[in-house]
Parts: sequence; C-alpha cells; structure tokens
Amino acid sequence: GAVVSQHPSRVICKSGTSVKIECRSLDFQATTMFWYRQFPKQSLMLMATSNEGSKATYEQGVEKDKFLINHASLTLSTLTVTSAHPEDSSFYICSASHRATLGGYTFGSGTRLTVV
Amino acid sequence: QKEVEQNSGPLSVPEGAIASLNCTYSDRVSQSFFWYRQYSGKSPELIMSIYSNGDKEDGRFTAQLNKASQYVSLLIRDSQPSDSATYLCAVTGMNRDDKIIFGKGTRLHILP
Repeated sequence: GAVVSQHPSRVICKSGTSVKIECRSLDFQATTMFWYRQFPKQSLMLMATSNEGSKATYEQGVEKDKFLINHASLTLSTLTVTSAHPEDSSFYICSASHRATLGGYTFGSGTRLTVV
Repeated sequence: QKEVEQNSGPLSVPEGAIASLNCTYSDRVSQSFFWYRQYSGKSPELIMSIYSNGDKEDGRFTAQLNKASQYVSLLIRDSQPSDSATYLCAVTGMNRDDKIIFGKGTRLHILP
C-alpha cells in the first residue's frame, strides 16, 4: 500500500537553530501534502497544505516565515522550523493524498521535536 | 469555521463490551468521513471510512453515518485492551485533495 516515510522520527535542537523534517511518498506521487502539529493531549492541527511546484497554503495563525515548506517534487515535501523556540516543541506529522489508500490519505510516522 | 466535535472522554468500557464513539460535524457539504486510531506518541492509523448514509461494518468495527443529523459514530464490538487509544473523527470534502478536519479525539480505555 501507499507509504509515507517521515524523517527524523525524533530530534532535539537548541533554541535558535533550524530543523528540517522530510516526508517522502514511496511508490506513489503525492501531489498534495498536509503538515500537522500535535501538542500533548491535543488533536491534530493543520498547519499548511503544500502542492508540488507551488507555494504552500498556510492555516490562519501559522507563520509562513517560521515554518518553511518546500514541495519540490511529487515524492518529497519538507518542513523547516526556523529559529526554533521551546514553544515549537511538538509532534509534527505529514499526510499525503493517494487514491489507492482507503480514505485517500496516508500519514507519516511523525517527528517529535524538542527544542531546548 | 468548519468544526468536528467529539467528547474528549476518557470513555471506559469493560473488556468484551461494545464501545460507542460519537462525532458531529458542522459543514453540511462534507462528503467523506473517517475514523482514525492514535496510540500515544504515534501517528494516526485509519480504521474506517464511510461515505454514504447508513452502517458500514468491518470486522469488530461498525461506522454509522447520518448526514441529515450531521452525525457519525463508531462502534467497537468485543472490545479488547489493545483498543485502548484515542479515536479521531475526521471529515473532508468531495475532492481528493481537500484538507481533512479532525476532531479533538475521544480517549477510550478498555478495562481488563
């Protein structure tokens, strides 16, 4: 079935540095990738929608200059958290749409970001 | 603002009993409805999807949809301790690339 590979699974970084998270669609082309953030005991919050070859669409309240999204190819989307702060510590998950997947959406395994 | 509402729980159900999870949504034009299971620290896993009114059964799971009432539910029969997780209700539109709107999830605890 459709698989989305997300890396790294866990990262610890110092405050003020940047972190890049990658999501790759394996064996299918992901024209659209969704990026979510989830704080402890909270639901998934959609941050942005990225489409291959175009600018990402950010949800209200999400800083596009802080959370840089690149979807340069049909199999790779990246999220870069720039100048990270402790409040950016969260669980980041990507999801791609794919016709063959029941329900049409496949999630990556998530990235646990801790900013110290 | 499109919303998906769920009771946060926790919902405690004895092992072997039926667990009933409920969800309401605000956008009448929603077309696709999903239930995801999420274990702590893991990403969501799709367990059921439903697109038309009525019931849909898959093993121990039954999804129920009532578009007139804007209500979708998930029944888990013969509940097992491994069913203990957070269950997320999700709703989306007609198009493949429509974004999914998630509820906040219901924590389910199966009592051994």
